[in-house]
Amino acid sequence: GAVVSQHPSWVICKSGTSVKIECRSLDFQATTMFWYRQFPKQSLMLMATSNEGSKATYEQGVEKDKFLINHASLTLSTLTVTSAHPEDSSFYICSARVGAGQGLGAFFGQGTRLTVV
Amino acid sequence: GESVGLHLPTLSVQEGDNSIINCAYSNSASDYFIWYKQESGKGPQFIIDIRSNMDKRQGQRVTVLLNKTVKHLSLQIAATQPGDSAVYFCAENGAGGGNKLTFGTGTQLKVEL
Repeated sequence: GAVVSQHPSWVICKSGTSVKIECRSLDFQATTMFWYRQFPKQSLMLMATSNEGSKATYEQGVEKDKFLINHASLTLSTLTVTSAHPEDSSFYICSARVGAGQGLGAFFGQGTRLTVV
Repeated sequence: GESVGLHLPTLSVQEGDNSIINCAYSNSASDYFIWYKQESGKGPQFIIDIRSNMDKRQGQRVTVLLNKTVKHLSLQIAATQPGDSAVYFCAENGAGGGNKLTFGTGTQLKVEL
């Protein structure tokens, strides 16, 4: 299957600082990538849809000024958690669809464990 | 049914037995479904998918069954192995574009030796 790489795998930051997470599609181009958040023993919650060359689309309740998304190329999307607080600590995962149509698999990165202290 | 709070439904099976993991989806207009396996601390791994114009699809040791009448999806794993221990999620892609996946609550599969 297609490979999606996420970096870093884990990060610890101080409260008030910002953290950037990268998501790359290694062997295909992705015009659309997705960012999820996952709490322990819970399912994945979609935060936003990242669109190459345009603004991201955020799900209801997700602060766009808090979670900045940039999708500058067909292989890279970044999520920046700004002014992080302990409640932002979570597992963040990105995914990319192979192709633009439905019926095509979505592949995930390995996730980033963010801990805000 | 769905789980609430922090308790994932758990399925325990003996090594070598077959496993059946169930999922009820909510959107009758969903036309594409995927099963994912997630190991602790890792991202979801694609297992198998199925379109709504099919009711069964087989892969290597896995079979997905789709019953659109009752909006039910199942994943069957043959000859379950210890390496199959993980959380399994079903995901649905609603019709109407957007390519967004909606995930189910997940099932913890535990394989006992």
